Amino acid sequence: RKEVEQDPGPFNVPEGATVAFNCTYSNSASQSFFWYRQDCRKEPKLLMSVYSSGNEDGRFTAQLNRASQYISLLIRDSKLSDSATYLCVVISFSGGYQKVTFGTGTKLQVIP
Amino acid sequence: ETGVTQTPRHLVMGMTNKKSLKCEQHLGHNAMYWYKQSAKKPLELMFVYNFKEQTENNSVPSRFSPECPNSSHLFLHLHTLQPEDSALYLCASSRSQDEGTEAFFGQGTRLTVV
Repeated sequence: RKEVEQDPGPFNVPEGATVAFNCTYSNSASQSFFWYRQDCRKEPKLLMSVYSSGNEDGRFTAQLNRASQYISLLIRDSKLSDSATYLCVVISFSGGYQKVTFGTGTKLQVIP
Repeated sequence: ETGVTQTPRHLVMGMTNKKSLKCEQHLGHNAMYWYKQSAKKPLELMFVYNFKEQTENNSVPSRFSPECPNSSHLFLHLHTLQPEDSALYLCASSRSQDEGTEAFFGQGTRLTVV
């Protein structure tokens, strides 16, 4: 089983739709979780952190389910500019240092 | 505007050339990272420096040689590369490697080996 798994997509959704991505992780001791956004041929940019209590930022909501070992990202009222690849990042600790694991990313295409 | 700056943005080099990639961060962070991103592949961690000490070398071939003179600067020295080394090389920084905090990326250097 991969350490971090994401559905690669693509998810093709119409403008205004609500779309959700999940990301599963295998290490139950993982401690920090993030969603990054990566546009084509550009660097990943931090979208939001994922807290145990959930995290909402405008149209974006991130949640963590430790029991089932997954995090989710919900995008409401999708905009054309939301088209990108969304990377899930999981941080665990090993030997006193953090281990950062990126998912392969989920591609979102918002269509007019 | 990113607090992590990478130069050059694009680089084409022959297999016998020697070149260096540079990364500079203005965020006051103490951990810096080199990642490689090939087409249709996830990000691959190459090296990690924490407080200027290399803490991780992810089985990277010796034709890639990192250097971290201080917490703000990170270099990746390249020599005798292969065409399969063509990729986007991303530098990132975070507060330190013993905190589970987010990393911030530079814009990357797109490397083509001919």
